[in-house]
Amino acid sequence: QKEVEQDPGPLSVPEGAIVSLNCTYSNSAFQYFMWYRQYSRKGPELLMYTYSSGNKEDGRFTAQVDKSSKYISLFIRDSQPSDSATYLCAMSESGPRDDKIIFGKGTRLHILP
Amino acid sequence: ETGVTQSPTHLIKTRGQQVTLRCSSQSGHNTVSWYQQALGQGPQFIFQYYREEENGRGNFPPRFSGLQFPNYSSELNVNALELDDSALYLCASSSGKTGGKDGYTFGSGTRLTVV
Repeated sequence: QKEVEQDPGPLSVPEGAIVSLNCTYSNSAFQYFMWYRQYSRKGPELLMYTYSSGNKEDGRFTAQVDKSSKYISLFIRDSQPSDSATYLCAMSESGPRDDKIIFGKGTRLHILP
Repeated sequence: ETGVTQSPTHLIKTRGQQVTLRCSSQSGHNTVSWYQQALGQGPQFIFQYYREEENGRGNFPPRFSGLQFPNYSSELNVNALELDDSALYLCASSSGKTGGKDGYTFGSGTRLTVV
């Protein structure tokens, strides 16, 4: 079993829909949970991160962590064509700059105008 | 200059050759991490440098080596290239070793193709 599992998609949704992206993990020592967005031919960009369990909201984005189920989610409200990208979940034990952040494979998201 | 700059953007090498990739970290950042991202995969940690010393290494063979310079720029060297080394190589900089509130700032990567 891989440490972090993420459905690669692609996921296609109409503009304005709510998008739900998810990851599961196996390492119970993970404490920091991150979501990165990666546009084609670009490096990943940190969207937000959460420490331990709970929710965090930033504009149209909401991150949720359920440590008891080892399951994390990213919700995008009022999705826009500019949200079309690959979304990578990432996790670490020591922080968002940990020297051993583990990434998921990424989910390719297409927002249809 | 802001942001992380990587060079070259694209590179084609022959199996068995050696390659050097370069990274200029974001202003104010003293930590550089290198990641390998194969097609359709998430980035995999290669190693990290903090103030010119290696601060951690992932599951990569010794033919992957690196350097960090006093200005915090960095190089990734790969010897005896193999076909499986074909990937996007990402450099990420940050301030401090671990923890804190900021994540990495990634460059756009170097696309290496080994033929």
